[in-house]
Amino acid sequence: ELKVEQNPLFLSMQEGKNYTIYCNYSTTSDRLYWYRQDPGKSLESLFVLLSNGAVKQEGRLMASLDTKARLSTLHITAAVHDLSATYFCAVDLYGNKLVFGAGTILRVKS
Amino acid sequence: EPEVTQTPSHQVTQMGQEVILRCVPISNHLYFYWYRQILGQKVEFLVSFYNNEISEKSEIFDDQFSVERPDGSNFTLKIRSTKLEDSAMYFCSTSGNYEQYFGPGTRLTVT
Repeated sequence: ELKVEQNPLFLSMQEGKNYTIYCNYSTTSDRLYWYRQDPGKSLESLFVLLSNGAVKQEGRLMASLDTKARLSTLHITAAVHDLSATYFCAVDLYGNKLVFGAGTILRVKS
Repeated sequence: EPEVTQTPSHQVTQMGQEVILRCVPISNHLYFYWYRQILGQKVEFLVSFYNNEISEKSEIFDDQFSVERPDGSNFTLKIRSTKLEDSAMYFCSTSGNYEQYFGPGTRLTVT
């Protein structure tokens, strides 16, 4: 059974600081997604990582995938308040379903 | 940009009642999914649907749940006899070009 673990589960950051969210998974997969969710809202796609070594960046967020280590990271650079949300990683299991991590609640304090 | 739509946005029902949640997938997508999220928890897979049949379902998706594509455009999730623990956000999703697109969700409240 595929397990997806995120850490930390809660992250309180100061504006302007950098931090990384980690996503480990237990079974081979070469497709990993990062989503953002605001309270009461749906899942907004941030990144789709499709191969080992994939790195994608959008604004202050950068995601990477190491399929050999079964690890993805979401790096936040110079955090701003607007980044406050819950971030989920999800691993694609043979195109049949996504298995989600527990989510990281990010709070950026000014 | 194409999007997945869901109706209703919020449904309140009494325990034991049947509910039908509706989704209109992105038109050229072939794979459809339902997920649910209990308040404050992670998103959980319920069922995947391809070529008019279920391709995979989770332990949550028991005999009280069913899915169908009644008219070639809508994709529905039915819960026959709702329980208090069915209260959650239900998200419809479709996949295409390696992306999974999520609808806005239906908040189901069972009282």
